[in-house]
Amino acid sequence: DSGVTQTPKHLITATGQRVTLRCSPRSGDLSVYWYQQSLDQGLQFLIQYYNGEERAKGNILERFSAQQFPDLHSELNLSSLELGDSALYFCASSVSTRHTDTQYFGPGTRLTVL
Amino acid sequence: GQQVMQIPQYQHVQEGEDFTTYCNSSTTLSNIQWYKQRPGGHPVFLIQLVKSGEVKKQKRLTFQFGEAKKNSSLHITATQTTDVGTYFCAVGSGNNRLAFGKGNQVVVIP
Repeated sequence: DSGVTQTPKHLITATGQRVTLRCSPRSGDLSVYWYQQSLDQGLQFLIQYYNGEERAKGNILERFSAQQFPDLHSELNLSSLELGDSALYFCASSVSTRHTDTQYFGPGTRLTVL
Repeated sequence: GQQVMQIPQYQHVQEGEDFTTYCNSSTTLSNIQWYKQRPGGHPVFLIQLVKSGEVKKQKRLTFQFGEAKKNSSLHITATQTTDVGTYFCAVGSGNNRLAFGKGNQVVVIP
């Protein structure tokens, strides 16, 4: 158990819909990262927040957005869903943003878009 | 951003044998991290290498960072069924965002 929690575990929805994925970082971690894992693209960095502020953006679509709240939990919002958005979405957390900080991954949310 | 290539993509390993997985970059890396993801699980941090030529051991696992800091390897001896999974290398860049390789999926044959 990494100490990072993600809900829901599974999500099945239809194309065009909007969903919200939630992540609670490990106690004491200020930095939250979101990654997408699909069969063809592997593990891709989406976005990072540190203490409530966006710090880095990766290959995140404009239909996707995220935020980190004052209690440090984070939400990833996916809208106008397409079949290709079906993937595992992982949240990770670390103490700060130093490149030597270990990232701890949550169990993931499996999103299926039908 | 920095990219890493992992070879091989797939390995079938007989239980009890040794195997190695490699991670290569065309550019000099500041650090490299290794993760393991069990089937149906999430990536779990194994180790980070920072220094040129660094070698670190964790029981049956030996991690190495090349002298030029452009490649890394993970060598596992006396493979066990618990070693099954996908091994990823990842490079940390600005703000600690990780760029992952495609992974090496390892199947252990009992």
